[in-house]
Amino acid sequence: DAGITQSPRYKITETGRQVTLMCHQTWSHSYMFWYRQDLGHGLRLIYYSAAADITDKGEVPDGYVVSRSKTENFPLTLESATRSQTSVYFCASSGRRFEQFFGPGTRLTVL
Amino acid sequence: DAKTTQPTSMDCAEGRAANLPCNHSTISGNEYVYWYRQIHSQGPQYIIHGLKNNETNEMASLIITEDRKSSTLILPHATLRDTAVYYCIVRDSGAGSYQLTFGKGTKLSVIP
Repeated sequence: DAGITQSPRYKITETGRQVTLMCHQTWSHSYMFWYRQDLGHGLRLIYYSAAADITDKGEVPDGYVVSRSKTENFPLTLESATRSQTSVYFCASSGRRFEQFFGPGTRLTVL
Repeated sequence: DAKTTQPTSMDCAEGRAANLPCNHSTISGNEYVYWYRQIHSQGPQYIIHGLKNNETNEMASLIITEDRKSSTLILPHATLRDTAVYYCIVRDSGAGSYQLTFGKGTKLSVIP
C-alpha cells in the first residue's frame, strides 16, 4: 500500500545503546522529516532531508544521526540513547504543495 | 515566539459545525496558513492550507480575514471522530521553507 510507514512501532532500550528508527515512504517525495513529541513541548523537528544525500539539522538534533541514501528511506539513529530521548517519534514526507504527511509514530522508551 | 494563538480547548455538539479560530496578527505576505490535526496517539494529519482566499476541501473550509490576521477552520458537520487537537501553523511559502512549527493547538471535543 502507498503511504508512509515507521518501524518499529514500539521500542524499549537501555541507556547507552544504539537504536535506529526506520521510515519508508512510497510517494517518492523529495522532503522527509523527523519530529519528536513530548508532553509540554509539542512536536519538534529533529532533522530533515531535501533529497537523497542531503540532510540538515532541525530544532533539536543533538544525539541523533540521519542518513538518506535512497529517496524512500530516512532512518534516524540514536547513537547512544539517553533517558531524555524517551519520546514518540514521527516521520513525515512532503509533497509538491509542501503539506506534510506523517507516519504512525514510534514510541521509544529508554530505561 | 509563537506566530499563532489558538484557544486551548473547545466543545462542539455532534452534527453541528465546529469553528476553530486562530490569530496570526504578525503574518507576512508570503506566509501560508496551514491546519493539521492530531487524533490521540496518531501522527498529525494535514487538513487544509491557504494564503488569502477562502479554501474548501472534502474535510473542511478555511476562512481567512481580509487583513489575514486571523482565520477560522470550519468542520461543517462534526462527528465523534473529529475529536482531536487542531494546530494552526503559519509557514513561509519560499523554496526550502519546509519546517512546520507546531504550537499547543486547540483540543476539540465533539460531544454526542
